[in-house]
Amino acid sequence: NAGVTQTPKFRILKIGQSMTLQCTQDMNHNYMYWYRQDPGMGLKLIYYSVGAGITDKGEVPNGYNVSRSTTEDFPLRLELAAPSQTSVYFCASSQGLASKTWETQYFGPGTRLLVL
Amino acid sequence: TQLLEQSPQFLSIQEGENLTVYCNSSSVFSSLQWYRQEPGEGPVLLVTVVTGGEVKKLKRLTFQFGDARKDSSLHITAAQPGDTGLYLCAGVGTSGTYKYIFGTGTRLKVLA
Repeated sequence: NAGVTQTPKFRILKIGQSMTLQCTQDMNHNYMYWYRQDPGMGLKLIYYSVGAGITDKGEVPNGYNVSRSTTEDFPLRLELAAPSQTSVYFCASSQGLASKTWETQYFGPGTRLLVL
Repeated sequence: TQLLEQSPQFLSIQEGENLTVYCNSSSVFSSLQWYRQEPGEGPVLLVTVVTGGEVKKLKRLTFQFGDARKDSSLHITAAQPGDTGLYLCAGVGTSGTYKYIFGTGTRLKVLA
C-alpha cells in the first residue's frame, strides 16, 4: 500500500517558470490537502478538496491553482514561480467522513522546491 | 484567524531528561492533534485529543488538552535519541473537519 505519493522529490525553477506538483493517494480518501512548510516552521494550508470536482482555498492560496478530477489525484500548479514560493510542499489525505469531528491526515514525503 | 503558538521553538536535552512542549491559542478548537516529523519526511500523527481536560498517554509521551480547549501540552519522560524530531500541534476548528491549523513547531534534539 503506497499511501500518498508525491513527484518530483526536488525541483529547481527559475523565476517566472511554471510547474505542476503531483500528488496521488491510493486509500480512496475523500479529503486531500496541499501544505507548504518554510524552513523551521509549521505547515500552512494552500488548498484543500473534499471530493472530486470540489476545491477551496486555504490560508495561503495566492500564486497556486489546484484541480481534482479524480478521487486519487490532486495536482498543485504554480503558474509564475517566485522566490517566495521556495519551500517544501506536502500533500495529505484523510478519509473525509462527515460523521467524524477529527481524522488522521496521511502525508506524502514532500516536494522540495527552490525558485531562483 | 486562528493561530497556534508552540513553545519552546528549539530544545536540546540530554538522554534521560524530561521535557514539556506547549501549544497555545486564543481560539477554541474542537480537537487538537500532535504530529512528529523527521527530516525529509512528512508529519506522522501521534495522538488526537478531543475533550477538554483529556489526558492521553503513549508510552513515555503524555498529552493533555486544556479545559477550555484552547491549549495543549506534550510531556516526554526520560527522553531518548529516537524522540528527536519536529513536533507539531494541529487544531481542528469548530467550523468543520477539513481545515487544520498547524502550530509553529518545536524542534527537539535528544543527545546520547
